[in-house]
Amino acid sequence: GAGVSQSPSNKVTEKGKDVELRCDPISGHTALYWYRQSLGQGLEFLIYFQGNSAPDKSGLPSDRFSAERTGGSVSTLTIQRTQQEDSAVYLCASSLMPGRQNTEAFFGQGTRLTVV
Amino acid sequence: AQSVTQPDIHITVSEGASLELRCNYSYGATPYLFWYVQSPGQGLQLLLKYFSGDTLVQGIKGFEAEFKRSQSSFNLRKPSVHWSDAAEYFCAVAPMDSSYKLIFGSGTRLLVRP
Repeated sequence: GAGVSQSPSNKVTEKGKDVELRCDPISGHTALYWYRQSLGQGLEFLIYFQGNSAPDKSGLPSDRFSAERTGGSVSTLTIQRTQQEDSAVYLCASSLMPGRQNTEAFFGQGTRLTVV
Repeated sequence: AQSVTQPDIHITVSEGASLELRCNYSYGATPYLFWYVQSPGQGLQLLLKYFSGDTLVQGIKGFEAEFKRSQSSFNLRKPSVHWSDAAEYFCAVAPMDSSYKLIFGSGTRLLVRP
């Protein structure tokens, strides 16, 4: 597609339920990032995939959070047993050639997750 | 630890006035440096970036930023602010190695007075 696509755009879930958030990066982009933006806050790094390398999971806040990237393209962020503090906008970004000059990360519109 | 600091949470300027948003980083070596803007209801858009070379970088919408190695800073400037510039501005860094892990500051919200 023309840009990074995230679905759903909005998700309301009950506390304790599991949710899956999807990210379709720009075709050919080897790097994919997930961030969390809580209300009025900055972007909190969650996880980073680059090519076939092991993902950098250092930002995942708890073991309830996991992510995978299948076939080097689509990524799914899963939150198990959701809590109210998980409510936030989850942003996905992708970039073409990490570490190379003139590369940049392009962001999706985000998924707004509300846990009630 | 690697970090990015935007010391100003909010800044208010009058339309037509000049603007400077501060960004400081703490890294072992000079990283790649970026400024992104997030307008209400919009996604993040890249304003400008520094990779190497000239330390004064020009971006879109009339913005510029200056990299100062001695101060570990990458401040964003605009000579004359327009009402449409009201938004949240984020400084970001990525190490100059193959990891390219992109880390953001906490953001500065810009309000523009008519």
